[in-house]
Amino acid sequence: SQTIHQWPATLVQPVGSPLSLECTVEGTSNPNLYWYRQAAGRGLQLLFYSVGIGQISSEVPQNLSASRPQDRQFILSSKKLLLSDSGFYLCAWSVGGAEQYFGPGTRLTVT
Amino acid sequence: SQKIEQNSEALNIQEGKTATLTCNYTNYSPAYLQWYRQDPGRGPVFLLLIRENEKEKRKERLKVTFDTTLKQSLFHITASQPADSATYLCALETGSGNTGKLIFGQGTTLQVKP
Repeated sequence: SQTIHQWPATLVQPVGSPLSLECTVEGTSNPNLYWYRQAAGRGLQLLFYSVGIGQISSEVPQNLSASRPQDRQFILSSKKLLLSDSGFYLCAWSVGGAEQYFGPGTRLTVT
Repeated sequence: SQKIEQNSEALNIQEGKTATLTCNYTNYSPAYLQWYRQDPGRGPVFLLLIRENEKEKRKERLKVTFDTTLKQSLFHITASQPADSATYLCALETGSGNTGKLIFGQGTTLQVKP
């Protein structure tokens, strides 16, 4: 069966510090991968998606970046965090462009 | 651009009743529409997918309808239970080929009282 992992579960970082969130998927090959952010009481905002290794599409201009170094690994990064980067970050995967399966999420607080 | 509207007010119902949640969209009709459940502090969980040529879909106590004329989907939970209390998200495919990109509504929070 397929599983998706995200870490860390929670993170508190000062403004201006770097960020690296990792997501890995098991039990499937060549998935589409997605990074979302959910602000408190808000909906899901798609940040990046990837249809293959090294293929990244950005949905929203921001100081975040994403990379897909391996088929089932998706990384979200920032060189310098802003207060507005705080939120709940979710990674998801899909195959065949249909339903998406989400990871447990990372709660990021930028102080 | 496509916009999705879900009732932002919480829906409170009594246990055993049927809960009905609404999802309206404003632009093109998507090839399919999905519903997800999200519990506090957790990632959304896929529930049902309904395609544009399907009027209705059922899964256990869940039923989804899709009216492309009204640009609306209704999500029903029959014989509701306190365990059904959660936020329910509507999501539309964006017509972006095999990318699987979705647009999510803000969700409606359902509270089922015993």
